Amino acid sequence: DQQVKQNSPSLSVQEGRISILNCDYTNSMFDYFLWYKKYPAEGPTFLISISSIKDKNEDGRFTVFLNKSAKHLSLHIVPSQPGDSAVYFCAASVASGTYKYIFGTGTRLKVLA
Amino acid sequence: DGGITQSPKYLFRKEGQNVTLSCEQNLNHDAMYWYRQDPGQGLRLIYYSQIVNDFQKGDIAEGYSVSREKKESFPLTVTSAQKNPTAFYLCASSMGYNEQFFGPGTRLTVL
Repeated sequence: DQQVKQNSPSLSVQEGRISILNCDYTNSMFDYFLWYKKYPAEGPTFLISISSIKDKNEDGRFTVFLNKSAKHLSLHIVPSQPGDSAVYFCAASVASGTYKYIFGTGTRLKVLA
Repeated sequence: DGGITQSPKYLFRKEGQNVTLSCEQNLNHDAMYWYRQDPGQGLRLIYYSQIVNDFQKGDIAEGYSVSREKKESFPLTVTSAQKNPTAFYLCASSMGYNEQFFGPGTRLTVL
């Protein structure tokens, strides 16, 4: 049972345009969410987080939106740059529970110059 | 210079052998984790530890073992019971449920 889903395995975007990566979850107890960026043969790098008490969090070019009623979050990258080409993972956790996160399967973003 | 180190970067194992992957952190984090990544797949949790001398099984613990004798160290042993051990292994640490910081990974190949 996949509790965190990233239904788009890949996405191509033109440089300078907006990239939107989506993530859906099924467990309504999840209340803390993370986004990571990963290059091949490297460990993931933390990008941005959001708590369920918010519906938006911004950090520079990265913005995460959370829609609790739809159990959906999205990561917006504006403007997209070629260096953003990587695999992006979302992860979810129950903050009051264990420290365990459930990761999605990832979306490969390719930013075209 | 704080961070997480994993060694070795590449590891080759013959079938039937046990092998231990090292993970060390100097971030003073309480929790540590081991994940496995296979091509085209996400990160699957093998084991995690929230405090020293305590650890819990993740989703795919069969064929693996861990120890947490020190806060800084969380080695993972891939035993001969693991049927398909070839994969990319990632170690992470966190302070509580906050964001996890990952090491550079170890690629294990069974010959």
